[in-house]
Amino acid sequence: NAGVMQNPRHLVRRRGQEARLRCSPMKGHSHVYWYRQLPEEGLKFMVYLQKENIIDESGMPKERFSAEFPKEGPSILRIQQVVRGDSAAYFCASSPGTVPGVEQFFGPGTRLTVL
Amino acid sequence: TQLLEQSPQFLSIQEGENLTVYCNSSSVFSSLQWYRQEPGEGPVLLVTVVTGGEVKKLKRLTFQFGDARKDSSLHITAAQPGDTGLYLCAGVSFASWGKLQFGAGTQVVVTP
Repeated sequence: NAGVMQNPRHLVRRRGQEARLRCSPMKGHSHVYWYRQLPEEGLKFMVYLQKENIIDESGMPKERFSAEFPKEGPSILRIQQVVRGDSAAYFCASSPGTVPGVEQFFGPGTRLTVL
Repeated sequence: TQLLEQSPQFLSIQEGENLTVYCNSSSVFSSLQWYRQEPGEGPVLLVTVVTGGEVKKLKRLTFQFGDARKDSSLHITAAQPGDTGLYLCAGVSFASWGKLQFGAGTQVVVTP
């Protein structure tokens, strides 16, 4: 049973380009979460999605960032017009639900470097 | 400001010693999870505690959830070099299902 998969593992972009990060949840999991880990900082929640729905995007920057989890295919975190401050590790997690005690399992992350 | 405060920030001990990591908050959580993260990898789930006062033991690791559901501790007995890593606590509040709020982490180094 494969775990959460993320690709690419490393992504280099120049300022102003777009970054697309992909996440395939564990089999049987319909809830996806994105977190960001900035250098020397802890993990911060960004967005929580179910298939075709954004449930909680309270941690998403208001501009340039968007996320989707289509009916078919992986979840995508999209960053438009990247800036150096976007350089970070982006982690995806998945769970089968959100009742108390339901666990979130994390992928290996995508390390984004903006030149 | 972190909602969950972890202490200490850094802990270096010799193999065979015991250690305790603390996770404290003024907020109440519906559940709390402990993860360990290695450099360049994602967090790996160690345990989830749900009930106030709950104690869970996994081999040499003992996890406790405070009675008031505001704090937790992780105790490692007879630490081994393989226990080296960044230990993270993360809580889920009753108001935000699914949203994990992380502490800053405790870096543990166990030397042979």
